[in-house]
Amino acid sequence: SQQGEEDPQALSIQEGENATMNCSYKTSINNLQWYRQNSGRGLVHLILIRSNEREKHSGRLRVTLDTSKKSSSLLITASRAADTASYFCATDALSYNQGGKLIFGQGTELSVKP
Amino acid sequence: TAGITQAPTSQILAAGRSMTLRCTQDMRHNAMYWYRQDLGLGLRLIHYSNTAGTTGKGEVPDGYSVSRANTDDFPLTLASAVPSQTSVYFCASSDVGQGAPGTQYFGPGTRLTVL
Repeated sequence: SQQGEEDPQALSIQEGENATMNCSYKTSINNLQWYRQNSGRGLVHLILIRSNEREKHSGRLRVTLDTSKKSSSLLITASRAADTASYFCATDALSYNQGGKLIFGQGTELSVKP
Repeated sequence: TAGITQAPTSQILAAGRSMTLRCTQDMRHNAMYWYRQDLGLGLRLIHYSNTAGTTGKGEVPDGYSVSRANTDDFPLTLASAVPSQTSVYFCASSDVGQGAPGTQYFGPGTRLTVL
C-alpha cells in the first residue's frame, strides 16, 4: 500500500499565484522528500526535510512537516508556467529503511496557465 | 557528468519474449533501484540493490529479475513479458550511508509496451 497520499490529485492555477500541495503518510519517518516530474521525464529531487525539522525553504519552495499529523505540504510561490509538472512526496519510513528505499505518493499534477 | 542513463528509450515487445532494460550510473552511488510508473498508481519499487553483489525485492518484484555485478550497472530483466508489464520503467541511484539522506537520482526512463 502507498505510504504517501497526495492532495489534490490535480491543481490548475494562473501564473503568479501560489500552489499548495499536501502529502500524508502512515508510519514514522527519517525524512520526507519532494520530487518533480516533467511530462515524459524522470523525477528530479527538489527538497528534503528531516523528521526533526518543521519548515524548510529553497528559493520559491517552502516545505512544512507535521510529524504529529503525519503530513507535509509543498508551497510554490509566485508560480510560473515552467512550474507545470507532477509533484511527488516520498518518505523513507523507518520500518522500510533498508538501503534508502523510498515510498512515493501518487503525485499532484500542477498546471500553471500563462 | 551523465548521471544515470537508461536504454532503450522505448521498446515494443511481443508477449512471451524476454528483454533486459539497461541502467548505468557514473556517480559511484552504492544503492540503485528500479521502479515502474503506471497511471494512477504512482511509482512502485520493483527491485533494489544496497551495494554491488546484493539485491532485494521491492513492492512488485514478480516477473522481474535484477543483478548487480558492479557499482555502475543494474540491469532489469523480464524473462517472459506479459501485457501487464506495459509501463514506464525508471532506474534511480542514491548514496546511502552514515549521514547521507538518500536523495535519489533518476534516469530518463524506458517506455515498454508488451503486446
